[in-house]
Amino acid sequence: LAKTTQPISMDSYEGQEVNITCSHNNIATNDYITWYQQFPSQGPRFIIQGYKTKVTNEVASLFIPADRKSSTLSLPRVSLSDTAVYYCLVGDPEFTSGTYKYIFGTGTRLKVLA
Amino acid sequence: KAGVTQTPRYLIKTRGQQVTLSCSPISGHRSVSWYQQTPGQGLQFLFEYFSETQRNKGNFPGRFSGRQFSNSRSEMNVSTLELGDSALYLCASSLEGLATEQYFGPGTRLTVT
Repeated sequence: LAKTTQPISMDSYEGQEVNITCSHNNIATNDYITWYQQFPSQGPRFIIQGYKTKVTNEVASLFIPADRKSSTLSLPRVSLSDTAVYYCLVGDPEFTSGTYKYIFGTGTRLKVLA
Repeated sequence: KAGVTQTPRYLIKTRGQQVTLSCSPISGHRSVSWYQQTPGQGLQFLFEYFSETQRNKGNFPGRFSGRQFSNSRSEMNVSTLELGDSALYLCASSLEGLATEQYFGPGTRLTVT
């Protein structure tokens, strides 16, 4: 059974780079690792997704080591509007049934200070 | 294009009752998944439907069930409500499934008294 762990909270100042790590063991070997952002009273919003090594888009980078036991979301030059909760999402295969459970990380509450 | 819509947005039910929540996905999306969010347990995966078939399922009791219609709209039903079922229920849609980008709705806030 896959298990995920994230830091509960992080503080950062505007303009700094923020790195949030999700530790995950026993995840599906052929599935993506995805990160979401959630603001209060809203559903999560997709940030970035990767399978291995490094992925970059216009808002973030995602680093995944070869063993895929963790992933790190990197937010460059954060602003006050990046204050939110960040979740990783991984797949947990059920080999007996051939289905997947999908597991969200515990969430990291990022607070960006002026 | 229109986002994922969920109805109702708020719901109050009594223990023992049953409830049905509705989700309309983004046009063209064939996958709909459901999640429960509580302060204590966080975001938990309930199940995923793809082209009217349940494709993946989380660790929830049989009281939680769902279905998907031919137009991809989905419903989730919870029978014999318990106080612990009070939560925000989120629906998300995607083109091909959970391994692709999911778009979440605003959720239905269910309170069980």
